[in-house]
Amino acid sequence: DAKTTQPTSMDCAEGRAANLPCNHSTISGNEYVYWYRQIHSQGPQYIIHGLKNNETNEMASLIITEDRKSSTLILPHATLRDTAVYYCIVRVAGFGNEKLTFGTGTRLTIIP
Amino acid sequence: KAGVTQTPRYLIKTRGQQVTLSCSPISGHRSVSWYQQTPGQGLQFLFEYFSETQRNKGNFPGRFSGRQFSNSRSEMNVSTLELGDSALYLCASSYRTSGGSSNEQFFGPGTRLTVL
Repeated sequence: DAKTTQPTSMDCAEGRAANLPCNHSTISGNEYVYWYRQIHSQGPQYIIHGLKNNETNEMASLIITEDRKSSTLILPHATLRDTAVYYCIVRVAGFGNEKLTFGTGTRLTIIP
Repeated sequence: KAGVTQTPRYLIKTRGQQVTLSCSPISGHRSVSWYQQTPGQGLQFLFEYFSETQRNKGNFPGRFSGRQFSNSRSEMNVSTLELGDSALYLCASSYRTSGGSSNEQFFGPGTRLTVL
């Protein structure tokens, strides 16, 4: 699985959009970008994933650059409950591959 | 639907002992993966079981083993415990077919193991 690079930490004001970047310059054509988050002392939680098109669900939006070398997770209206460590993961989906390779993630702190 | 459950939630053992952790996946999920989380190494994949067979394995010594039962419940075992095995052990379940993979994995709350 390709390696990802994320900032160690970020702050965001409550109510504003939180934009979390991820670099995955060695991503292969068949690798998807996944985002998970881990709130303190809980198991990770799936947020969203995509291959090359932008994706949106009830939690967040995922913007993937045209060359697929980077992506941005957007939390449109951050709340205090969004304070967590956010992990950007790339993996090949299919062929029975369930392995997630977690990096160090970005610690996002929402400021009241 | 009930979420992924893990038992016990907390465990204290001493060096040299062995431990068995249990994971009950979400109903209908046939895949169970195990992860170890430590402050130094972060979240690391241990192994995945699907239909009672280990399908993928991370880079851990043979002291770490697991199994899956016909009802998809899974156990992992660590023998000859070392101080460095102190960690949060997480399991995740997912719905996937034999040749495919899931889009979303659901994690349990974890078992916090302390080795003294």
